Amino acid sequence: SQTIHQWPATLVQPVGSPLSLECTVEGTSNPNLYWYRQAAGRGLQLLFYSVGIGQISSEVPQNLSASRPQDRQFILSSKKLLLSDSGFYLCAWKAGGTDTQYFGPGTRLTVL
Amino acid sequence: GDSVTQMEGPVTLSEEAFLTINCTYTATGYPSLFWYVQYPGEGLQLLLKATKADDKGSNKGFEATYRKETTSFHLEKGSVQVSDSAVYFCALTSPGTSYGKLTFGQGTILTVHP
Repeated sequence: SQTIHQWPATLVQPVGSPLSLECTVEGTSNPNLYWYRQAAGRGLQLLFYSVGIGQISSEVPQNLSASRPQDRQFILSSKKLLLSDSGFYLCAWKAGGTDTQYFGPGTRLTVL
Repeated sequence: GDSVTQMEGPVTLSEEAFLTINCTYTATGYPSLFWYVQYPGEGLQLLLKATKADDKGSNKGFEATYRKETTSFHLEKGSVQVSDSAVYFCALTSPGTSYGKLTFGQGTILTVHP
């Protein structure tokens, strides 16, 4: 069966510091991968998606970036965090040719 | 573009009450429809899905029927429990997107009291 991991689970960072969040998927090959952010108001915003190694598409301009160095690894980064980057970050995966996304447990980021 | 509208809530019910959370959508073609549930502090879990008109998705006592004529996918449960307290998201994905973009509603907070 497939599983998706995210770490860290929680993170408190000062403004201006760098960020690296990691997501890995087990039990599947060549998945589509997604990063979402959920702000306090509950809505989910798609930040990045990837259909293959090294292929990243951004949905919204911001100071975040994403990379996919390996088939089942998806990383969300920032060089300098802003207060507005605080939120709950969710990674998701989908098998190619299917329609269902499966979500990881999330990372709670607080920028102070 | 695609959009999903669901009742804002919050919804507060007593245990064993009947639950309905309304969801309507706008999309081209024949989207797949989903309900996800998010328990406090956790990620989203797929609750149920339906992929074509008149399909009924069901799981854990929850049901939703894909109604093409009314573009709706309302979530129902006959008898809620305290453990059902969570945020519920309606979502769709259209077959035309190459990367399987999910369009979400804003979420509905459900609180069930003993």
